[in-house]
Amino acid sequence: EDQVTQSPEALRLQEGESSSLNCSYTVSGLRGLFWYRQDPGKGPEFLFTLYSAGEEKEKERLKATLTKKESFLHITAPKPEDSATYLCAVQAGSGNTPLVFGKGTRLSVIA
Amino acid sequence: DGGITQSPKYLFRKEGQNVTLSCEQNLNHDAMYWYRQDPGQGLRLIYYSQIVNDFQKGDIAEGYSVSREKKESFPLTVTSAQKNPTAFYLCASKSGTGGFEQYFGPGTRLTVT
Repeated sequence: EDQVTQSPEALRLQEGESSSLNCSYTVSGLRGLFWYRQDPGKGPEFLFTLYSAGEEKEKERLKATLTKKESFLHITAPKPEDSATYLCAVQAGSGNTPLVFGKGTRLSVIA
Repeated sequence: DGGITQSPKYLFRKEGQNVTLSCEQNLNHDAMYWYRQDPGQGLRLIYYSQIVNDFQKGDIAEGYSVSREKKESFPLTVTSAQKNPTAFYLCASKSGTGGFEQYFGPGTRLTVT
């Protein structure tokens, strides 16, 4: 069974204090790994797709990396507006197979 | 302006009533999905549809029903058989070509009392 585990469940950072969120997965035949940002009361916003081990993607203060067993979302010099829940998801199987989501990491950045 | 719309944003119902949540997309996406989100539980798949007039049950389909009569629309009915319907409901869609990422609507918060 495909599984996604995210850690930590919650993370509190001071503004400017860099850190990483972890997403470990077990899936047979990974087609893609996805990161989303979700603000309270809103739908998840797509951030990145990673397809193969060694791949990296960046967007502003966020950088996502992928190995054969896990992905990291690195946050460099975070600002209060980066506070949100970050969701990781994986897809195996054919193109429209539903994604399997982790439970998310709730990030709080304090000014 | 392409996207996914869900209506209404907030919905209140009495126990024992069926209620239908709307989801529309103008992205020309083939696949559409319904998720339920509860605090601490993450996203759980209710139903999904890969093409018009076809849909499959997800992990928690009991007490829910869907239809896919048009490519743009995938309404979800929460029936009175759903034991704990109060939750945040999210609709998503995905193109059948290109990348595998799903795009989400803004969600509907359903409260049943």
